[in-house]
Amino acid sequence: EPEVTQTPSHQVTQMGQEVILRCVPISNHLYFYWYRQILGQKVEFLVSFYNNEISEKSEIFDDQFSVERPDGSNFTLKIRSTKLEDSAMYFCASGWNSPLHFGNGTRLTVT
Amino acid sequence: AQRVTQPEKLLSVFKGAPVELKCNYSYSGSPELFWYVQYSRQRLQLLLRHISRESIKGFTADLNKGETSFHLKKPFAQEEDSAMYYCALRGRDDKIIFGKGTRLHILP
Repeated sequence: EPEVTQTPSHQVTQMGQEVILRCVPISNHLYFYWYRQILGQKVEFLVSFYNNEISEKSEIFDDQFSVERPDGSNFTLKIRSTKLEDSAMYFCASGWNSPLHFGNGTRLTVT
Repeated sequence: AQRVTQPEKLLSVFKGAPVELKCNYSYSGSPELFWYVQYSRQRLQLLLRHISRESIKGFTADLNKGETSFHLKKPFAQEEDSAMYYCALRGRDDKIIFGKGTRLHILP
């Protein structure tokens, strides 16, 4: 069964640094998402992406965040200047006519 | 407003006992309801969706539109069922809304 893959599995970065989280969605899917899960809290929606543009974003997804689909296969989440509170598990998901398929997640630790 | 409520943060159940994880939703229209499971250190996985009415790993869930509920049930809990369970709703705009999750702990 095809899978959504995310790299790296764990990223440690210093506060203020830029990070790029990478995802390879399932190839025939058209909708792409980023979710995050702060330790001990619920899974939160960040952004959805369709037809090469953001279709919806949450209040969490501020100017520090951006998404790109640079080459038709990767789907990246960039955090421009990380803050301590950005430490979380970030999940990429892709879907087409539901349900969503999730990646293994990238654990981001901001120190 | 679209909302998914899982009232229990933690549910501890003895092995062999019945399990019911509660989920209530708020949505104007006909949503799609799902249960996702997250085993320790693994990805979120789809457990079941109300449309397919499948029984996966012994779990079932019935959509009750009158009570706006989609409770997850299993008649006999197994130790490997210990995990985090998320109820989720997919609305017209295709966004998935998750509940806060319930940690199911199966006691030996």
